Amino acid sequence: GAGVSQSPSNKVTEKGKDVELRCDPISGHTALYWYRQSLGQGLEFLIYFQGNSAPDKSGLPSDRFSAERTGGSVSTLTIQRTQQEDSAVYLCASSYGLLESGETQYFGPGTRLLVL
Amino acid sequence: AQSVTQLGSHVSVSEGALVLLRCNYSSSVPPYLFWYVQYPNQGLQLLLKYTTGATLVKGINGFEAEFKKSETSFHLTKPSAHMSDAAEYFCAVTAGTASKLTFGTGTRLQVTL
Repeated sequence: GAGVSQSPSNKVTEKGKDVELRCDPISGHTALYWYRQSLGQGLEFLIYFQGNSAPDKSGLPSDRFSAERTGGSVSTLTIQRTQQEDSAVYLCASSYGLLESGETQYFGPGTRLLVL
Repeated sequence: AQSVTQLGSHVSVSEGALVLLRCNYSSSVPPYLFWYVQYPNQGLQLLLKYTTGATLVKGINGFEAEFKKSETSFHLTKPSAHMSDAAEYFCAVTAGTASKLTFGTGTRLQVTL
């Protein structure tokens, strides 16, 4: 079946602009996760959703970052007033249930964000 | 808190040689452990995972890993490397009610002729 999809695959923006990154999870997966992969910081957790709620948003780097999920499906990660240090690959993952139940996270191909 | 340490950011092996990628974890509660592989410009693909039960876990592409609680390790092995195994490998842990993965810094595997 279809895996996790993300769009756009690549995004180049100017410093100070807002960007929206989209994630379509695997159908039926209730949990959705956002991670960031950068050269300096490796793979970092940002936020996760159970349904439309975000029980843990502790990884969001600043208040310029926000995310929402609607209909228990699609999620959007928004970065306002982008900075050069926001340049990274943003990865989305989904799972049928939560990790503590032994579920597996399936990752999308990522969105490569470059802030000039 | 949970953490993972991957020893060796780069590992080079000859084709046909044993692959050993090291991972040690830290967790105050029983962990779930994962190995993911990432090919260039792609997302992460699950190789194998340990949750409970048998400590020797077999995964895709001939990889396996053994959970050793006494050594807090979860090393990844493959008896015979193929050129197609060249990629970056990430060990990850989740524990308790964390509901998120904490990743190691990754090990880039190079396979030479």
